[in-house]
Amino acid sequence: NAGVTQTPKFRILKIGQSMTLQCTQDMNHNYMYWYRQDPGMGLKLIYYSVGAGITDKGEVPNGYNVSRSTTEDFPLRLELAAPSQTSVYFCASRTGNYNEQFFGPGTRLTVL
Amino acid sequence: KNEVEQSPQNLTAQEGEFITINCSYSVGISALHWLQQHPGGGIVSLFMLSSGKKKHGRLIATINIQEKHSSLHITASHPRDSAVYICAVTTLDSGGGADGLTFGKGTHLIIQP
Repeated sequence: NAGVTQTPKFRILKIGQSMTLQCTQDMNHNYMYWYRQDPGMGLKLIYYSVGAGITDKGEVPNGYNVSRSTTEDFPLRLELAAPSQTSVYFCASRTGNYNEQFFGPGTRLTVL
Repeated sequence: KNEVEQSPQNLTAQEGEFITINCSYSVGISALHWLQQHPGGGIVSLFMLSSGKKKHGRLIATINIQEKHSSLHITASHPRDSAVYICAVTTLDSGGGADGLTFGKGTHLIIQP
């Protein structure tokens, strides 16, 4: 199993551009998450999904959108990139409640 | 106020030393997680516990639910243990963790040869 994969690994965007961060897991996990990690801060939850077709906002959802059309994929969309979205983004998945989370390798995004 | 507090924020020790990293939380939890973030950025889960103590190799994690406190210990530390160690909790009002974890800011550990 590849686990949780994320693409791209690095990206530089200009203000106002849009992009999609891809996340795929091959473990048939129902629960998937997007977090952002800023320097000196704990990871913050952006959006999460408890299954295909079901998504919900986390702590910091503004400026982002998600979809979950399949169990495997959970893309994160930035519509109008802003410097405040410069961060490292982690996708994670888990098989169900009260279980450990598996993290992807992260995407380092810079918005200039 | 952070719901999950870790101490110390930074720790430098010599190879072979016994390491302790502490985590305190202020909310009701159903589970506590210890994670390791490598210098390259990847995050792996070390432990998930809701009571007592767990051991894996040189790593030991304990939790005291009444005191809302957990510790991560590393015995016979080695330079390869250098990483950021993150404490995270599944809060009781998070739908069993469906809506994700609440994280501490991490402890940056450096083990010198």
